[in-house]
Amino acid sequence: KAGVTQTPRYLIKTRGQQVTLSCSPISGHRSVSWYQQTPGQGLQFLFEYFSETQRNKGNFPGRFSGRQFSNSRSEMNVSTLELGDSALYLCASTLWDSTEAFFGQGTRLTVV
Amino acid sequence: QQQVKQSPQSLIVQKGGISIINCAYENTAFDYFPWYQQFPGKGPALLIAIRPDVSEKKEGRFTISFNKSAKQFSLHIMDSQPGDSATYFCAATTSGTYKYIFGTGTRLKVLA
Repeated sequence: KAGVTQTPRYLIKTRGQQVTLSCSPISGHRSVSWYQQTPGQGLQFLFEYFSETQRNKGNFPGRFSGRQFSNSRSEMNVSTLELGDSALYLCASTLWDSTEAFFGQGTRLTVV
Repeated sequence: QQQVKQSPQSLIVQKGGISIINCAYENTAFDYFPWYQQFPGKGPALLIAIRPDVSEKKEGRFTISFNKSAKQFSLHIMDSQPGDSATYFCAATTSGTYKYIFGTGTRLKVLA
């Protein structure tokens, strides 16, 4: 069974640009969550989607947004990039009735 | 109240020794406590998890001890091996929220 797949693995963007990251959950998993990991702040929850609906949201500015498609794949978008947005962005998927979250390898975003 | 405090920040253990990492929480609504292992360049991998109705859970060389009254839980790695050298994160969540609160991480180094 394939794990959580995140694309791309690495991205370099310029301040002010926008970026879209993609996540394909484990087959059969319907919940997808996104986390930001930085050396200073650690792992922080961004948002969670289930059946195309955002059910939970962390304390991030509106520049961070996401969506989920009918096949459970999810994307997150960051607009007007800032240097501080440089981080490893992790996606996790969960079965609809389980608490176990399985993470992908992440997308390393560097903003220059 | 949403924080999970993790200690120590770093840990050096001799091969064959016991590694112990501690976490404490405040929110009594948390009912699921996983531990994740993360290697450089990889996403966090679920190691072992426990719920508050159990005081201890063991899987191979990994054991979680849980003290509900003290609101603390710990990870014990028995017979630590150099391959265990990684960063370990504790986390907590309330079932149904799919939002994990992570500890700050412990960088473990096992000396050969």
